[in-house]
Amino acid sequence: DTAVSQTPKYLVTQMGNDKSIKCEQNLGHDTMYWYKQDSKKFLKIMFSYNNKELIINETVPNRFSPKSPDKAHLNLHINSLELGDSAVYFCASSQEVSARSFFGQGTRLTVV
Amino acid sequence: GESVGLHLPTLSVQEGDNSIINCAYSNSASDYFIWYKQESGKGPQFIIDIRSNMDKRQGQRVTVLLNKTVKHLSLQIAATQPGDSAVYFCAEASNFGNEKLTFGTGTRLTIIP
Repeated sequence: DTAVSQTPKYLVTQMGNDKSIKCEQNLGHDTMYWYKQDSKKFLKIMFSYNNKELIINETVPNRFSPKSPDKAHLNLHINSLELGDSAVYFCASSQEVSARSFFGQGTRLTVV
Repeated sequence: GESVGLHLPTLSVQEGDNSIINCAYSNSASDYFIWYKQESGKGPQFIIDIRSNMDKRQGQRVTVLLNKTVKHLSLQIAATQPGDSAVYFCAEASNFGNEKLTFGTGTRLTIIP
């Protein structure tokens, strides 16, 4: 069983569209994250949720809105996509904030 | 702001040799460090971690060294194999359990057969 799974793996879309990426973890962890990895492999945290509550919100445009329906799921919705949003987005989970995190396989988003 | 950086962006090592990947951090309050391995097309994978009350920790073929005096972290991989080729990240956090992980910029390790 995949511990942290995210869908889709690839997403190609036009500028201005709205899209969502889904994430689920079956590890029973309390904390989930979204990270963005740019073309230079730099990995930066975007959001963190603990038991469905937002606890970390980095400087991310408000076009990005995370939603956690339960502690096993953390989805990422992006409005009005821009070219600069093209990146690989990783979902991750951990038992505690900053503890060892388990990552999903990533979603490569390409905005054209 | 605080940052976590790596000395070398790329490193090539002959198969069977040992490799050392270095990481410098600037937050003196950091008390927890992790090394991650990211293979092409995959998410980062945990390798080993270390708390600030230790200066060395060993795993299977990997050793992490922590020098808090100079804020330096290193990952040693012994007897490298082709499967070790990947990008390696160090990450740090302060106030373990309450602060987010901050990732370094990554080092690409290539094992030459």
